[in-house]
Amino acid sequence: EPEVTQTPSHQVTQMGQEVILRCVPISNHLYFYWYRQILGQKVEFLVSFYNNEISEKSEIFDDQFSVERPDGSNFTLKIRSTKLEDSAMYFCASRGQNSPLHFGNGTRLTVT
Amino acid sequence: GESVGLHLPTLSVQEGDNSIINCAYSNSASDYFIWYKQESGKGPQFIIDIRSNMDKRQGQRVTVLLNKTVKHLSLQIAATQPGDSAVYFCAESPSSSNTGKLIFGQGTTLQVKP
Repeated sequence: EPEVTQTPSHQVTQMGQEVILRCVPISNHLYFYWYRQILGQKVEFLVSFYNNEISEKSEIFDDQFSVERPDGSNFTLKIRSTKLEDSAMYFCASRGQNSPLHFGNGTRLTVT
Repeated sequence: GESVGLHLPTLSVQEGDNSIINCAYSNSASDYFIWYKQESGKGPQFIIDIRSNMDKRQGQRVTVLLNKTVKHLSLQIAATQPGDSAVYFCAESPSSSNTGKLIFGQGTTLQVKP
């Protein structure tokens, strides 16, 4: 069964550094998303991406965040200058036109 | 504000029994609902979804019930197995045009006793 894959599984970075989280969505999907889950809390929507542009974003997704689909298979989330409070699990997700959202297994980001 | 919540943080059941996990939502305009299972160290795994024009939908060993009158959603798991042990999240979509934008509840931990 096709799945969303994310790399790396764990990323440790120092405060103020830039990080790029990578995702390969399911190949025939058209809609792409990033969510995050702070330890012990619920999963939160960050951003949705369709037709090479952001379709919606949450208040969390400020100017420090950006997304990109650099080629036909990858979808990335960049955090320009990480803060301690950015530490969380980041989940990439994708869906087709009329299909449910499928999540990857996440990247655990630890900011020290 | 909008919120999706679960009635119980932990549910413990005996293997073979049926499980019922409940969820309350607050946005009466939501028209799409979905249940996810999350095992330790993994991402949310799709279980079943339902649109607001239905009140029941069945899958393999799972049934989702939607009561729009009281804004309540439930997940029933038949013949619960040890592999069903996980955290279960309900989620709603407040946007009919972007059903991937979901508001998640806090989650219910299901523990299956052998």
